[in-house]
Parts: sequence; structure tokens; C-alpha cells
Amino acid sequence: EDQVTQSPEALRLQEGESSSLNCSYTVSGLRGLFWYRQDPGKGPEFLFTLYSAGEEKEKERLKATLTKKESFLHIPAPKPEDSATYLCAVQGWGTQGGSEKLVFGKGMKLTVNP
Amino acid sequence: DSGVTQTPKHLITATGQRVTLRCSPRSGDLSVYWYQQSLDQGLQFLIQYYNGEERAKGNILERFSAQQFPDLHSELNLSSLELGDSALYFCASTPGTVPTGELFFGEGSRLTVL
Repeated sequence: EDQVTQSPEALRLQEGESSSLNCSYTVSGLRGLFWYRQDPGKGPEFLFTLYSAGEEKEKERLKATLTKKESFLHIPAPKPEDSATYLCAVQGWGTQGGSEKLVFGKGMKLTVNP
Repeated sequence: DSGVTQTPKHLITATGQRVTLRCSPRSGDLSVYWYQQSLDQGLQFLIQYYNGEERAKGNILERFSAQQFPDLHSELNLSSLELGDSALYFCASTPGTVPTGELFFGEGSRLTVL
């Protein structure tokens, strides 16, 4: 069964204090690993897709990397507006044909203080 | 705004009752997904429909059912409600042509069972 574990569950940073969020996964053949951002009272919003080990993606102040067992979301210079819950999800090749079913981790709540 | 509309936004009901949650996908999207989000379980996949047909099923309880109509909107029916069914229910949609893992989520329906 595909599984995703995110750590830490919550993180408080000062503005500009760099950090990395960890996502560990087990999947029967990785089709893709995805990062989403969720603001309070909102639905998750797509950030990145990573397909293979060694791949890196950047978007604004965020950078995502992927290894064979983990993904990291690096936040080198966070701002208060980066405060949100960050969700990691995987999709395996064993997924029912044509389905885009994602298996999500429980998320990591990031708070960035000014 | 993701373009996915969910109603109602909030719903309070009693144990044993039945409710229907509605989802209108983005214009042109053929796939609709339902997810349940609770504090302890995170986002859990319930079911997917593609162009009116069931495509994939997760750990959806027998008390729950869903369908997708010819106009592509979807409804999730929850019956014999229990306290543990209190959660946020999200609908997401995708074009459904090529799986990308980029799901477009609505803002959710918050169900409270008293």
C-alpha cells in the first residue's frame, strides 16, 4: 500500500529563517510525487510535480527535490505569506488504470512570523 | 479560484441523518474526485468518476455513495451519519485525459454531525 509520511507536523519559523520540510514515501513504482499548499478554509492548491530521483523544481520562494525515498520542500527565505499547510502526495504506477488517485500525507503546518 | 464549486460550505446535522454534497467541476473537466479530510487521518481518497462512470474507489464506507451526472456535476451521499463522519469533504476535478497529478480542489464542505 502506498504511504506518505511528512515531518515535522508543524513548524514555526521567523521570517527569513530557512528550513526544509520532509516527505518520506513508499510506493509501488513512483508515477509522480506532488506538493500542494492548503490555506485555512481552502482546498489544496497544486505546487509541484516531481517524477524521478534527482529532479528539482522551483516556484517563487519554494524549491522541491526528490530522491528515491524522500522529497524535500526547501524554503530558503520564508515570508509570513508562506504560512500554510503543505501536503505531499504520491501516485504509483499500480494506481487503477487511468486514475489520478493521489495518496496524501497528513501535511505540515508552517507558520512564519514577521 | 480553482473553478470547482462545492455546496453547501457548511452543514450541521444529527446522527442517523442523510446528507448530499454537491460538486460542479471546472468547465471541461471530465474527472471528479472526492476526498475526506479529518484532523487525524489527513486527506483520504473516497472515489473518482470519469465522464459519468466510476473510475477508482478508495476506502469509501458502504453508507456513502456518489454519482456523476450527464452534465458532469457530482454528488456525494452520506447516510446513517455517525459522529466520526464529521470532516471536510473535498471535491477535485481534472480534465481526465492525461494523468498529471494536478488536481483542482474546491473549497470543501464542512460536515458536522452532532
